[in-house]
Amino acid sequence: QKEVEQDPGPLSVPEGAIVSLNCTYSNSAFQYFMWYRQYSRKGPELLMYTYSSGNKEDGRFTAQVDKSSKYISLFIRDSQPSDSATYLCAMSALEGAQKLVFGQGTRLTINP
Amino acid sequence: GAGVSQTPSNKVTEKGKYVELRCDPISGHTALYWYRQSLGQGPEFLIYFQGTGAADDSGLPNDRFFAVRPEGSVSTLKIQRTERGDSAVYLCASSVGGIGYEQYFGPGTRLTVT
Repeated sequence: QKEVEQDPGPLSVPEGAIVSLNCTYSNSAFQYFMWYRQYSRKGPELLMYTYSSGNKEDGRFTAQVDKSSKYISLFIRDSQPSDSATYLCAMSALEGAQKLVFGQGTRLTINP
Repeated sequence: GAGVSQTPSNKVTEKGKYVELRCDPISGHTALYWYRQSLGQGPEFLIYFQGTGAADDSGLPNDRFFAVRPEGSVSTLKIQRTERGDSAVYLCASSVGGIGYEQYFGPGTRLTVT
């Protein structure tokens, strides 16, 4: 079993919809939780970063962490065609925090 | 400013050959990371440098892989006796350093072993 599980999709939604992406994990030592966006043939870019539990909002993006359930989510409001990309969750423990463990990535398409 | 750069962008090599992949981090970033991303998968950690030294090389799959960062800036990932299973995108990232700092990724080197 992988440490981080993420549904690879693909996920296709109409423009303007609310998108929900999520990951589950098994390692209770994970304390840092990140969401990266990766366009085709590009490197991942950081969207959201959260330490421990709670919610964080940045514009149209909201990240949620539920450590009791070992479950994290990313919500995208008012989705745009430019949001079409692969979304990767990533996590790290307090010790060895520089070593990110990624999910498989969810491929998202926003249809105009 | 300039981001992380990686060269070459694409590399095709024959099974058994030796390859070197180069990473040029963001100026002033003391931490540098290598990841490997296979098709349809998320990046997989290989090695982390803090300055010139490898602080964590637990992700290197075997002794055919090694990496150096002799002057604490540019890094080279070296793969000996390449195998077809080594085909992947090799990503480099850098950060200011320390816990929780954002890792900035380069575009990657796409390695194909024929």
